[in-house]
Amino acid sequence: DIVMTQSPDSLAVSLGERATINCKSSQSVLYSATNKNYLAWYQQKPGQPPKLLIYWASTRESGVPDRFSGSGSGTDFTLNINSLQAEDVAVYYCQQYYGSPDTFGQGTKVELK
Amino acid sequence: EVQLVQPGAEVKKPGESLKISCRTSGYIFINHWVGWVRQLPGKGLEWMGIMYPHDSDVRYGPSFKGRVTISADKSISTAYLQLNSLEASDTAMYYCARGYYDALTGLSHSNFDKWGQGTLVTVSS
Repeated sequence: DIVMTQSPDSLAVSLGERATINCKSSQSVLYSATNKNYLAWYQQKPGQPPKLLIYWASTRESGVPDRFSGSGSGTDFTLNINSLQAEDVAVYYCQQYYGSPDTFGQGTKVELK
Repeated sequence: EVQLVQPGAEVKKPGESLKISCRTSGYIFINHWVGWVRQLPGKGLEWMGIMYPHDSDVRYGPSFKGRVTISADKSISTAYLQLNSLEASDTAMYYCARGYYDALTGLSHSNFDKWGQGTLVTVSS
């Protein structure tokens, strides 16, 4: 199984500053035939189901603010939240959907400093 | 509007079986993978398995193999999760979710673009 490891486990960011979350997979999730990385990012707020933010490592889901951006390829990925807003306080998860079983990272909690 | 509707809560005793429904609407059910994700209290997301209703292809997470069955009734656009031999450690929130459909390729993938509100399952004697 592909193991997804996120870092850090938590971070505190001031309003308006950038939050950076890393996700590393134990093997590449880049599918060479399509040149796509099978990597998604989710946001989960307390008492709510997760919400898809990013897929194909860098494609923003419809309706997601452009302060959210994803990057990376192969085994190393990053989610950036530029100009953090109060409503961005949440836990963020990466997921690989390259190989079954799909797997999630352990989550990164973003709080306000 | 796409909707995935789950029962809000279930209470079971140890050793019993659980079957949760996920009633979908607002999209073509057979075109999308449907998956199940578990979240233990205060913990992260755990992938349980997925099913492609079009051909009934099913994949299970290793932690649940042998104890879980994912099925679907295409006639009512509803997916089901059955979990057997329940233990107190199965107390958790269970979510169903819809896989993303790439209209350009006609392929469905197992990143989840819509989620149910979750079913809180309590296993207690």
